[in-house]
Amino acid sequence: DAGVTQSPTHLIKTRGQQVTLRCSPKSGHDTVSWYQQALGQGPQFIFQYYEEEERQRGNFPDRFSGHQFPNYSSELNVNALLLGDSALYLCASSLGDRPITDTQYFGPGTRLTVL
Amino acid sequence: AQSVTQPDIHITVSEGASLELRCNYSYGATPYLFWYVQSPGQGLQLLLKYFSGDTLVQGIKGFEAEFKRSQSSFNLRKPSVHWSDAAEYFCAVGALKTGGGNKLTFGTGTQLKVEL
Repeated sequence: DAGVTQSPTHLIKTRGQQVTLRCSPKSGHDTVSWYQQALGQGPQFIFQYYEEEERQRGNFPDRFSGHQFPNYSSELNVNALLLGDSALYLCASSLGDRPITDTQYFGPGTRLTVL
Repeated sequence: AQSVTQPDIHITVSEGASLELRCNYSYGATPYLFWYVQSPGQGLQLLLKYFSGDTLVQGIKGFEAEFKRSQSSFNLRKPSVHWSDAAEYFCAVGALKTGGGNKLTFGTGTQLKVEL
């Protein structure tokens, strides 16, 4: 049973560019959350998708957007990249619309470097 | 808004020694509390979680944590540390949002080093 997968593993972009990160949830999971983990920090919640809709959003600017597909996979898009967007981006999946009571499974992350 | 404080950035223990990692949370209602571990190049793995009931919860890899409401704490413990436990540990608090949706708020983590 495959766990949460993310692609790509690493990515290097320059300031002002746009980037798309992808996440496939664990089999059977329908809720996907995205987190940003800066170096030396804990993960910070970006947003969460359930049934193809954004259910909750953290304190991130509109440059950060997302999408969930009918197969529950998800994309995170970041426009107009800034140096401060360099971080490890983590995807987490869970079952049901109350993932607090369901274990969130995390993927290995995508390391984004903005030059 | 909820928040989590992990006072210790780095901790070093000898293999076989006991371990306690501290976590303090701030949340207005009944908290949902978690401990995750992150090894280099890997994602976060859930060690244990507390929702309600018994305040002492058992997790994987021999870890346990105790919820103390009066101290707003959820400290992680292990009686005998193994070299493979070296990793970064994150405490998190979860909050339910009316109408659906929720999020985890993480602390800044504690880096554990194990001396052989």
